[in-house]
Amino acid sequence: GQQLNQSPQSMFIQEGEDVSMNCTSSSIFNTWLWYKQEPGEGPVLLIALYKAGELTSNGRLTAQFGITRKDSFLNISASIPSDVGIYFCAGRSRDDKIIFGKGTRLHILP
Amino acid sequence: DTAVSQTPKYLVTQMGNDKSIKCEQNLGHDTMYWYKQDSKKFLKIMFSYNNKELIINETVPNRFSPKSPDKAHLNLHINSLELGDSAVYFCASSRQFGVGTEAFFGQGTRLTVV
Repeated sequence: GQQLNQSPQSMFIQEGEDVSMNCTSSSIFNTWLWYKQEPGEGPVLLIALYKAGELTSNGRLTAQFGITRKDSFLNISASIPSDVGIYFCAGRSRDDKIIFGKGTRLHILP
Repeated sequence: DTAVSQTPKYLVTQMGNDKSIKCEQNLGHDTMYWYKQDSKKFLKIMFSYNNKELIINETVPNRFSPKSPDKAHLNLHINSLELGDSAVYFCASSRQFGVGTEAFFGQGTRLTVV
């Protein structure tokens, strides 16, 4: 089946640093979504991307839908302690399933 | 008001039992989903319903039976529970199936089979 390769698997950064993570696939996706999950909670939608090349921001978060429709990245600028969590990319496949990447675990060092 | 709510939040039960998880959304969405998140946090779709009709049924044992009495509800019944069923189960909904498919998730039901 279709798979999303999300990297890095985990990140350890200092507060104030910028963060970058990405997802790639061998298949084309029609929609890219980025979610954040905190312990004991469900994933919360951060950004939705619908068109190839689209660049969208949500506060300190910026995400882009790759031109090839096979990749997307998420950047977080000037990280703060509450950014800690697991970030998931997700894509809507041609058969209309929302498929998730395996997540990027963000840790912020004091 | 919680947009997508699941009950119970925690469920501990013995192998072989039958249990149900309930989900309700008050967003007026047409489509609802069940996802399973394993111990490595991998999220995998199980089922999707659109307007009470089953749209997606992934390779899930037939011990799992979803039921959608109306658009706002999607329940999950599990028969003869096994140890491997232990996971967090998330309900989600989206405005439509296909277009505008950003999904909104509930808080999850942590199922532990002992």
